[in-house]
Amino acid sequence: GENVEQHPSTLSVQEGDSAVIKCTYSDSASNYFPWYKQELGKRPQLIIDIRSNVGEKKDQRIAVTLNKTAKHFSLHITETQPEDSAVYFCAAEADSWGKLQFGAGTQVVVTP
Amino acid sequence: ETGVTQTPRHLVMGMTNKKSLKCEQHLGHNAMYWYKQSAKKPLELMFVYSLEERVENNSVPSRFSPECPNSSHLFLHLHTLQPEDSALYLCASSQLGPSGETQYFGPGTRLLVL
Repeated sequence: GENVEQHPSTLSVQEGDSAVIKCTYSDSASNYFPWYKQELGKRPQLIIDIRSNVGEKKDQRIAVTLNKTAKHFSLHITETQPEDSAVYFCAAEADSWGKLQFGAGTQVVVTP
Repeated sequence: ETGVTQTPRHLVMGMTNKKSLKCEQHLGHNAMYWYKQSAKKPLELMFVYSLEERVENNSVPSRFSPECPNSSHLFLHLHTLQPEDSALYLCASSQLGPSGETQYFGPGTRLLVL
């Protein structure tokens, strides 16, 4: 089955700097890669996703890149703000039935 | 924020109790999921229901029993739980398509087993 590894587990950045989170996956058949943000005490919420027919996708200050050959994908947050502080999870489509295999999460702390 | 709802939001139960968690989705989706979220661990998929039929059971102990009476409702029945079952239980739903689709999560039930 699918295995997703996520790094780093914690990331501290100064406000205004960029943050990068990287994930690798094992199943070359995976075609869908969402990223979720979970603020303390709240539900995971989708912030951006990418499918295998696209190499990069951007939405304002966040972007995701996908390298299918190397089986890794990354989340980039530019001009970080304190409200970006949260746990971020990557995921990869696993098998069928819409199943997702999640990474372990990255705790991002943005300091003013 | 109201697309997927869960009740109760918090639950404390003893190891001999029986309780149920409820999830309801208002998005017209055809698949629903139960996840367990423990500290410092990835989200663990417990059960998947597609069109009200269970299609996945990830080796979950029998003290957890899911029920999906229709495409909008999902239950997780709990009995004789252990302290290590204390966690946040998240429900999610999605609309299955030809490739992976976004899952939308509920707010979760924070469970404490004493």
